[in-house]
Amino acid sequence: DAKTTQPDSMESTEGETVHLPCSHATISGNEYIYWYRQVPLQGPEYVTHGLQQNTTNSMAFLAIASDRKSSTLILPHVSLRDAAVYHCILRVPLTGYQNFYFGKGTSLTVIP
Amino acid sequence: DMKVTQMPRYLIKRMGENVLLECGQDMSHETMYWYRQDPGLGLQLIYISYDVDSNSEGDIPKGYRVSRKKREHFSLILDSAKTNQTSVYFCASRSPGTNFNQDTQYFGPGTRLLVL
Repeated sequence: DAKTTQPDSMESTEGETVHLPCSHATISGNEYIYWYRQVPLQGPEYVTHGLQQNTTNSMAFLAIASDRKSSTLILPHVSLRDAAVYHCILRVPLTGYQNFYFGKGTSLTVIP
Repeated sequence: DMKVTQMPRYLIKRMGENVLLECGQDMSHETMYWYRQDPGLGLQLIYISYDVDSNSEGDIPKGYRVSRKKREHFSLILDSAKTNQTSVYFCASRSPGTNFNQDTQYFGPGTRLLVL
């Protein structure tokens, strides 16, 4: 069973800031929240990850609720290249064996 | 840029033929993976390799074997391919990063295999 819940789809206009929500009510203390994205005919691409504190990198800002039961991936000033399926998954780093369950994710459509 | 390559990108084989999928990475990552992705099933782990000649089965190893003779290359072999092995196959390598919690996987572009 998937441990995260995401909306099936979202739509935005170029230049806007997009907030992609993810619910993970049963998250364990040692599980990190990872975000990957995937476009058709390409492999998944790492976006960001975090444990408890909000994180930011060149691609996105990850806001994590204080109780860690939800998180939001924030994409500032989206472009057409940001159109993809975004997957929120829970992982424990450095265990070597990692099985990704991507599920359906959120399909982000960006309108010119 | 960190890069994982896969060859071929598209492949059509007949049932019973042997299949060789190649993966390469230029980042000297020790750990590499082979996954398959099917609609509605997400990514399923086939095999994991912790380094040269150090391979372990994932969740669905049946019908597959792997070979890793050099750190930068990881091959997936299907001996006598079956129609239910039609799928998209992804290779990935793992970067442990400089901090204990900096663990990311870098994926190749995938190989689309059709077994007739």
